Amino acid sequence: EDQVTQSPEALRLQEGESSSLNCSYTVSGLRGLFWYRQDPGKGPEFLFTLYSAGEEKEKERLKATLTKKESFLHITAPKPEDSATYLCAVQEAGAGSYQLTFGKGTKLSVIP
Amino acid sequence: GAVVSQHPSRVICKSGTSVKIECRSLDFQATTMFWYRQFPKQSLMLMATSNEGSKATYEQGVEKDKFLINHASLTLSTLTVTSAHPEDSSFYICSAIPGGGYGYTFGSGTRLTVV
Repeated sequence: EDQVTQSPEALRLQEGESSSLNCSYTVSGLRGLFWYRQDPGKGPEFLFTLYSAGEEKEKERLKATLTKKESFLHITAPKPEDSATYLCAVQEAGAGSYQLTFGKGTKLSVIP
Repeated sequence: GAVVSQHPSRVICKSGTSVKIECRSLDFQATTMFWYRQFPKQSLMLMATSNEGSKATYEQGVEKDKFLINHASLTLSTLTVTSAHPEDSSFYICSAIPGGGYGYTFGSGTRLTVV
């Protein structure tokens, strides 16, 4: 069973059409949940870290929220330059544990 | 700040040869670095954790004799793919933790193609 599941796999939006990406996770204890943006042929670019249920963070058109079972990445009035794959990763609580477990990502395409 | 530099960005090598990939933290010291592999349309999979001055820790199923990791300084870790074969073709990415709210910072990745 996957620990991190992202949906949908792919999403096409018209420019200006707001939507949300989902990341559900199953870990015994969460140390942190991370959102990254990845452009083709590039490494992931850090967006947000969330630590506890109820936490929210914003950056430009992006807003990340966290519950005990899932996280959402809300995209408000997206632009074509927001097109990318968005990755979610979790860090499980545990002494000395640095490992991140990634989902497969959501490929977002924003059409002008 | 908090930049991880990875080189080369692309490499093509012949089957049976070895390839070295470098990962540098440019403006911070990294006692620990991480190496990931990503196949098309798949998750990033952690291969190994590189520790400065000590042996790397490999994830289950990753051959330590094939993927040699050296972390000789606080700013440099290298991954050497030895006796590469076509099935080793993948996107390899390194990561480090700069602290200060930057999260895990990733390099730009290396596309390895073994022919």
